[in-house]
Amino acid sequence: EAGVAQSPRYKIIEKRQSVAFWCNPISGHATLYWYQQILGQGPKLLIQFQNNGVVDDSQLPKDRFSAERLKGVDSTLKIQPAKLEDSAVYLCASSLWTGKGSGNTIYFGEGSWLTVV
Amino acid sequence: QKEVEQDPGPLSVPEGAIVSLNCTYSNSAFQYFMWYRQYSRKGPELLMYTYSSGNKEDGRFTAQVDKSSKYISLFIRDSQPSDSATYLCAMIPDTGRRALTFGSGTRLQVQP
Repeated sequence: EAGVAQSPRYKIIEKRQSVAFWCNPISGHATLYWYQQILGQGPKLLIQFQNNGVVDDSQLPKDRFSAERLKGVDSTLKIQPAKLEDSAVYLCASSLWTGKGSGNTIYFGEGSWLTVV
Repeated sequence: QKEVEQDPGPLSVPEGAIVSLNCTYSNSAFQYFMWYRQYSRKGPELLMYTYSSGNKEDGRFTAQVDKSSKYISLFIRDSQPSDSATYLCAMIPDTGRRALTFGSGTRLQVQP
């Protein structure tokens, strides 16, 4: 079974530039997550989708971050304009959870590593 | 106060040692408890998954959950250099959004 795919793996940009990350979840997984992991810290949830609807985006800095999941499959996360403190790894994850019942196992991709200079 | 507290380490042990990793949490709604292993420059990999209180064993790994104390543990027996990684505890509540809340991770180094 193919895992969660993410691209690009590495990106270096200057502050105030924009960047976009792409994620393709495991086939059939209804729920998709974007997490931000700053070096030395645990991942922090940015946004959670169930199919193509947003379940939780309370920790997404909406003045500069945006995310979408068109057609309930792939997702993109965009940062515009980037700040130095956005340097982190952006992890995409997915699960079978459909809104009720089980399906709590969450699988992560390899991450997209962003450096803002 | 963070919802999930985890000692960042680093923890250095000799090969063959028993390793104990721990997390405490404050949210009594957490019901699902996971341990993820994260190698350098890689995404987190699910290691153990436990529902509610109790023990779960898988090979050299044992996960324990004590909900009365809001305390979870991961034990690694006969540790190997390949176990050197960062270990993240994570939890999900039984209601509401099913998203993981993570600890900060403990970096483990197993010396050959």
